[in-house]
Amino acid sequence: SQKIEQNSEALNIQEGKTATLTCNYTNYSPAYLQWYRQDPGRGPVFLLLIRENEKEKRKERLKVTFDTTLKQSLFHITASQPADSATYLCALTAWFYGNNRLAFGKGNQVVVIP
Amino acid sequence: DVKVTQSSRYLVKRTGEKVFLECVQDMDHENMFWYRQDPGLGLRLIYFSYDVKMKEKGDIPEGYSVSREKKERFSLILESASTNQTSMYLCASSLGTSGGRYEQYFGPGTRLTVT
Repeated sequence: SQKIEQNSEALNIQEGKTATLTCNYTNYSPAYLQWYRQDPGRGPVFLLLIRENEKEKRKERLKVTFDTTLKQSLFHITASQPADSATYLCALTAWFYGNNRLAFGKGNQVVVIP
Repeated sequence: DVKVTQSSRYLVKRTGEKVFLECVQDMDHENMFWYRQDPGLGLRLIYFSYDVKMKEKGDIPEGYSVSREKKERFSLILESASTNQTSMYLCASSLGTSGGRYEQYFGPGTRLTVT
């Protein structure tokens, strides 16, 4: 069966350190992978998109890698700040009944400790 | 900036009531989506629409219907609300028809409680 797996345990990290989150998938062959941030009680906000032929993408303090052989994406927040505390969702393209759309992971919470 | 608005942030309805959730986007996006989000289950797609008057079922369409009469507006209808439809409902829109190539813009969500 198809799965998108993110760690269900919150990542507690000291301010200033690098937070690394993992997104593993099974039985998908995504052309694109996206990362979103979600704050409690709010809708997700798009952060980054990476294509299958890109190994790495950066945006300010964020870095995403995409390894189609390992079927894994890593999401890094460098120099983490308390304001980075949120849940981060990965999403990838999938075919469902003839339609190409996004499937989301359940998210991984990050808590940055001052 | 793209803006997706939803008609209510919080809603309380009784079992059996017909419930309308409205979503409006202001960026002329073709695709619009309705999700529900529950603890431990993540985001699940209810319905989506890739054009006016067009709709496609998502993963959990049972008990729901949708309407898209205008490009900017996508409505979710609970025909007869039940307690298991208590959830956070999120609307989203995206520019393209090729799913995954374009990011989705989400509304603030409607927390619906059915008593």
